Amino acid sequence: NAGVTQTPKFRVLKTGQSMTLLCAQDMNHEYMYWYRQDPGMGLRLIHYSVGEGTTAKGEVPDGYNVSRLKKQNFLLGLESAAPSQTSVYFCASSSQGTGANVLTFGAGSRLTVL
Amino acid sequence: AQSVAQPEDQVNVAEGNPLTVKCTYSVSGNPYLFWYVQYPNRGLQFLLKYITGDNLVKGSYGFEAEFNKSQTSFHLKKPSALVSDSALYFCAVRHNTDKLIFGTGTRLQVFP
Repeated sequence: NAGVTQTPKFRVLKTGQSMTLLCAQDMNHEYMYWYRQDPGMGLRLIHYSVGEGTTAKGEVPDGYNVSRLKKQNFLLGLESAAPSQTSVYFCASSSQGTGANVLTFGAGSRLTVL
Repeated sequence: AQSVAQPEDQVNVAEGNPLTVKCTYSVSGNPYLFWYVQYPNRGLQFLLKYITGDNLVKGSYGFEAEFNKSQTSFHLKKPSALVSDSALYFCAVRHNTDKLIFGTGTRLQVFP
């Protein structure tokens, strides 16, 4: 049982380039999330989804887009990367009801924008 | 707005001693509070949660947390620290049924 899988694990971009981070979960979870982790700032929520075909903004959505075309996948896109988007990105998922807010996290994707 | 604060960037403790990692919260309504742990180069892992009921919540790996409504705190504790407990610990509060808001994290160092 893989849980939450993020690809790629590492990526280096030049300013202005675009890329997509892929998150896949095999637990049939309804909710999925993208966070970024920066030193001294903890985890900040970028976007999230409460079900297939839905997305919503989190605390720091600017410069990112997301899509949830299939229940098991949640994509995070950067259309024009900026150095301020250098960070470690974590995807997480959870079930509804009593399982809500008990998040299962992926291992992270480290992105560097030069 | 819901928020949590972790006042200590780092906590140092000797192996075998009790440990406490502090968290205070600010919420409207009843708080739903959580602790997560992050080991190096890994994603966060759920430790425990407080929803309602007993103020002392027991979780994974021998950790527990004490909910104190009058002090608006939810401190993480363990009676006897292990070197393997060294990690980054995050307190979190439910913002609504859909999402969590995390604190800035506290690095726990347990020395042999």
